[in-house]
Amino acid sequence: DSGVTQTPKHLITATGQRVTLRCSPRSGDLSVYWYQQSLDQGLQFLIHYYNGEERAKGNILERFSAQQFPDLHSELNLSSLELGDSALYFCASSVVPAGTGVFYTFGSGTRLTVV
Amino acid sequence: DQQVKQNSPSLSVQEGRISILNCDYTNSMFDYFLWYKKYPAEGPTFLISISSIKDKNEDGRFTVFLNKSAKHLSLHIVPSQPGDSAVYFCAASDSWGKLQFGAGTQVVVTP
Repeated sequence: DSGVTQTPKHLITATGQRVTLRCSPRSGDLSVYWYQQSLDQGLQFLIHYYNGEERAKGNILERFSAQQFPDLHSELNLSSLELGDSALYFCASSVVPAGTGVFYTFGSGTRLTVV
Repeated sequence: DQQVKQNSPSLSVQEGRISILNCDYTNSMFDYFLWYKKYPAEGPTFLISISSIKDKNEDGRFTVFLNKSAKHLSLHIVPSQPGDSAVYFCAASDSWGKLQFGAGTQVVVTP
């Protein structure tokens, strides 16, 4: 157990629907990162929150949004789902924004299947 | 724009031999490099890292080499063990702390 909790582990939904993925960071970690891993692709950075504030955005679609709450848990909202959104979604956390000497701890991911 | 590239999607190596995984990057502003290991149905776990001011870092069976002029790093696993069979991701960190990952290399260690 890495200490980063992601729920649900699996999600199957239809095209056009909206889902919410949840992440609870490791105790004491203020930074939360979301990554998407599609089939045969690496981990694509989506968004980074630090202590409730958005710090950086990556290749995140406009149909996707995220937030980090006062208790530091984060939610990733995916709407108007398309078949191509099927992927593994990982959350990672770190004490401070990761940099020299600081690395992420990942959750076990949420596997989203859009049918 | 893929700034971190792992050009070998898979690697098969015999138990006891050396595994060498390669990674190239394009952004000279990256200042920290990491390797993560991922088993099926689990999230990536940190393996080893290296700062841009060093050219080698060793941790047990794992050694990472960095060639800044070539924008290239490699991970050596010696000796390889069956439990090393996993997907290995190379990652690079910029000054904002955002990690960019390569596509991963699937390592299979055979008996």
